[in-house]
Amino acid sequence: EIVLTQSPATLSLSPGKRADLSCRASQSISNCLAWYQQKPGQPPRLLIYDASNRASGIPARFSGSGSGTDFTLTISSLEPEDSAVYYCQQCGKRPPLTFGGGTKVEI
Amino acid sequence: EVYLVDSGGGLVKPGGSLRLSCAASGFTFSNYKMNWVRQTPGKGLEWVSSISSGGNSTDYADSVKGRFTISRDNPNNSLYLKIDSLRVDDTGVYYCARDEVPFDWPQASLDVWGKGTTVTVSS
Repeated sequence: EIVLTQSPATLSLSPGKRADLSCRASQSISNCLAWYQQKPGQPPRLLIYDASNRASGIPARFSGSGSGTDFTLTISSLEPEDSAVYYCQQCGKRPPLTFGGGTKVEI
Repeated sequence: EVYLVDSGGGLVKPGGSLRLSCAASGFTFSNYKMNWVRQTPGKGLEWVSSISSGGNSTDYADSVKGRFTISRDNPNNSLYLKIDSLRVDDTGVYYCARDEVPFDWPQASLDVWGKGTTVTVSS
């Protein structure tokens, strides 16, 4: 089973700042990594698929990069509505699909 | 618009059973592999099970194998999860979710999620 480790656990930044969230896989998953945003009381929302492709309707300030074992989600200029928990998920080797433990972004 | 509406959760005693349902609309349900994902206080987001578009292939997380059964009814655009021998650590919110890529592509993220149904296991 592929283990995903996200860091940091919590990120506190001001509006307009840049946020870089890390996700590291225990073995290579090529580019098969997704990022999700989850707000309280809501299901996860797909932001990025295949490491760097924005899902439909996702603002351009969200971008993804990386391949192999190291991946980054970047929010270029934080908005107040970006406060949420962000999860990565690997799809390179399934079953099982696995998720990281999440990074909480506070603005 | 594409929707998934999950239901069927509730309060159950340890050892009990539940059947979760997920109603799909707005897309060709029979083209997509479907999944159940749960969110528990102890383990965060955890993939539970998936079923191929035609329903002939299923997979389960080791933690639920032998207790959970996934099924689907394509003519009625519905997905199910039968949960037996419930344990306290099965408590959480259960989401149905669609593979982002149709036709059982081996690698896919999850692009459409239900709002979730809550399962509470307690004596």
